[in-house]
Amino acid sequence: GAGVSQSPSNKVTEKGKDVELRCDPISGHTALYWYRQRLGQGLEFLIYFQGNSAPDKSGLPSDRFSAERTGESVSTLTIQRTQQEDSAVYLCASSLGAGFAFFGQGTRLTVV
Amino acid sequence: AQKITQTQPGMFVQEKEAVTLDCTYDTSDQSYGLFWYKQPSSGEMIFLIYQGSYDEQNATEGRYSLNFQKARKSANLVISASQLGDSAMYFCAMRGGIQGAQKLVFGQGTRLTINP
Repeated sequence: GAGVSQSPSNKVTEKGKDVELRCDPISGHTALYWYRQRLGQGLEFLIYFQGNSAPDKSGLPSDRFSAERTGESVSTLTIQRTQQEDSAVYLCASSLGAGFAFFGQGTRLTVV
Repeated sequence: AQKITQTQPGMFVQEKEAVTLDCTYDTSDQSYGLFWYKQPSSGEMIFLIYQGSYDEQNATEGRYSLNFQKARKSANLVISASQLGDSAMYFCAMRGGIQGAQKLVFGQGTRLTINP
C-alpha cells in the first residue's frame, strides 16, 4: 500500500477483554515497529521485527502483551485481559532497512 | 544500550525567529542514524530530517537543519524562520547498527509553541 495502515483507528473495550491491533506496513519494508504513546507522553518502544523475527521484545510491558508478524508483512499486537493503564495510542511504523520509518495513524485504545 | 535525551519539555518562540531543539544521545555503536520527527496535534508522525553518523556535512531539509556534533553526541534540530504551523511536538530518535534495522529509540519530545 501507499502508507502504513493500522486498524482499527479507535477501539473501546471493557477491562479484562482481549484486543488485537493490526498493522499493514509499506510493501517491501523489512523492519516493523510498535510503540505506545500515552496522552502527552513520548513514544514508548514495545517491539520491533526484522522480517518475521523479533530481535527485541524488551519493551513489551508484561506477558499480557504479544505480537507476531507473518509473511514479512502484516503484524498483530495482542493485549490480553486489558487494564485501564493500557489505554493509549498504539503506533506502528515500518522502514526499509536502516532508512527512516514511516508511521501509521495509530490505534487509539480506550479501556473502560 | 541506546538512549536519547531531550531536555526541553517545552519551548515558546516568536514567529519568524529561529529555534534550536536540543537532543543528546548515547550509544556504543560506531554506525548509527539520527532522526527528527514532528507530531502536530493531529497525532501523525512526520519525518523531518536524517543524519548518518559518518556523514561529514550537517543534514539540511528546507528550513530544517541538524547541528550534528559527534564528539559531544548531540544532534540538535534548528528551524529557521519559524512559522505558526511549526507548533507541535518534536521527537529526536536514533537507530544503531550497520546492516538492516535495529530498534528505533525516541526521546521524550519537546513541545514547541510558535507565538504570533
